Amino acid sequence: GENVEQHPSTLSVQEGDSAVIKCTYSDSASNYFPWYKQELGKRPQLIIDIRSNVGEKKDQRIAVTLNKTAKHFSLHITETQPEDSAVYFCAASIWGNKLVFGAGTILRVKS
Amino acid sequence: GAVVSQHPSRVICKSGTSVKIECRSLDFQATTMFWYRQFPKQSLMLMATSNEGSKATYEQGVEKDKFLINHASLTLSTLTVTSAHPEDSSFYICSARAQFPNTGELFFGEGSRLTVL
Repeated sequence: GENVEQHPSTLSVQEGDSAVIKCTYSDSASNYFPWYKQELGKRPQLIIDIRSNVGEKKDQRIAVTLNKTAKHFSLHITETQPEDSAVYFCAASIWGNKLVFGAGTILRVKS
Repeated sequence: GAVVSQHPSRVICKSGTSVKIECRSLDFQATTMFWYRQFPKQSLMLMATSNEGSKATYEQGVEKDKFLINHASLTLSTLTVTSAHPEDSSFYICSARAQFPNTGELFFGEGSRLTVL
């Protein structure tokens, strides 16, 4: 089955700096890669997703890149703000099937 | 976006009792719902895939007789933790994917925090 690895487990950045979180997946059939933000005690919220037919997607300060050959994808947050502090999870799935999550990254943005 | 409602948000029960958690898709139909469990400071671990009108598919290591899943309609799935024990204490989250439009996005319920005394 699919296995998703995520790094780093914790990330501290200064407000205004960029943050990068990386994930690798094992199943070459996976074609859907979402990123979720979860605040303490709350449900995960989708922040961006990418499908395997594109290599990059951007939404304001957030971007995701996908390298299908290497089976890894990354989340990039620019101009970080304190409210970006949360746990971020990457995930992978074959379209329409179950999502397998990475272990999560605790992002702390220091002001 | 689509809304998934989960109830109860918090439940405390005694060891040995059973607890039912409901997951509803409020404004869309979901033939498939997913149940996840999340321990403190850990990731979401898929427990089972709930299919409307058929038996759930459980992940390896998840006891189907302990975690009963029923998906009786296109908008409701329930998870019953039977004979709960303290080690079952966790955050249980359901999620659903809309049939139409099928964007691939999973919508999550608010989660249910179970504490077994």
